[in-house]
Amino acid sequence: AQRVTQPEKLLSVFKGAPVELKCNYSYSGSPELFWYVQYSRQRLQLLLRHISRESIKGFTADLNKGETSFHLKKPFAQEEDSAMYYCALIRGSTLGRLYFGRGTQLTVWP
Amino acid sequence: EPEVTQTPSHQVTQMGQEVILRCVPISNHLYFYWYRQILGQKVEFLVSFYNNEISEKSEIFDDQFSVERPDGSNFTLKIRSTKLEDSAMYFCASSEPYGYTFGSGTRLTVV
Repeated sequence: AQRVTQPEKLLSVFKGAPVELKCNYSYSGSPELFWYVQYSRQRLQLLLRHISRESIKGFTADLNKGETSFHLKKPFAQEEDSAMYYCALIRGSTLGRLYFGRGTQLTVWP
Repeated sequence: EPEVTQTPSHQVTQMGQEVILRCVPISNHLYFYWYRQILGQKVEFLVSFYNNEISEKSEIFDDQFSVERPDGSNFTLKIRSTKLEDSAMYFCASSEPYGYTFGSGTRLTVV
């Protein structure tokens, strides 16, 4: 069975500090991994997908198949990064059901 | 940028009543989904819809729930007889090969 684990429910950092939001997954096949962000209970917005290898708003995430991880990183956090971040997985295709982690609430203090 | 539109943004209903949540997916998308998020909990999959039929549903999506695409643009979720535990944020989404787009959600409150 597939599962997405975000071990930290809450994460606080000061502005300018590096931030890493952890995500581990379990799935026997080749998943597609995503990070979604939700600002103040607004819509879920796609932040990153591992297949595109892009950097959005300074965030990057590398898929580590050996450790089955897809941690989200940013070298210098900004106050506007405060939001809920969800790691999600699709089994083998971008058209399937998304399996979400429980989310990490990131707070960036001034 | 194209958006998925959901109406209403907030609905309050009495327990036992039927509700219909509406969504207008992005026009050239072929797959449609409903997810829900109970306050303080993670986002949960309800159902996916393709080619005018359900392609997958979760254990949450029981006989109380149904989905429909009554015309070429709307995609609806009906809850037949609402329960208190149906109170949640309901998100519609549509997808094309390179990713999902979510709507802004309907907050359903069952009293």
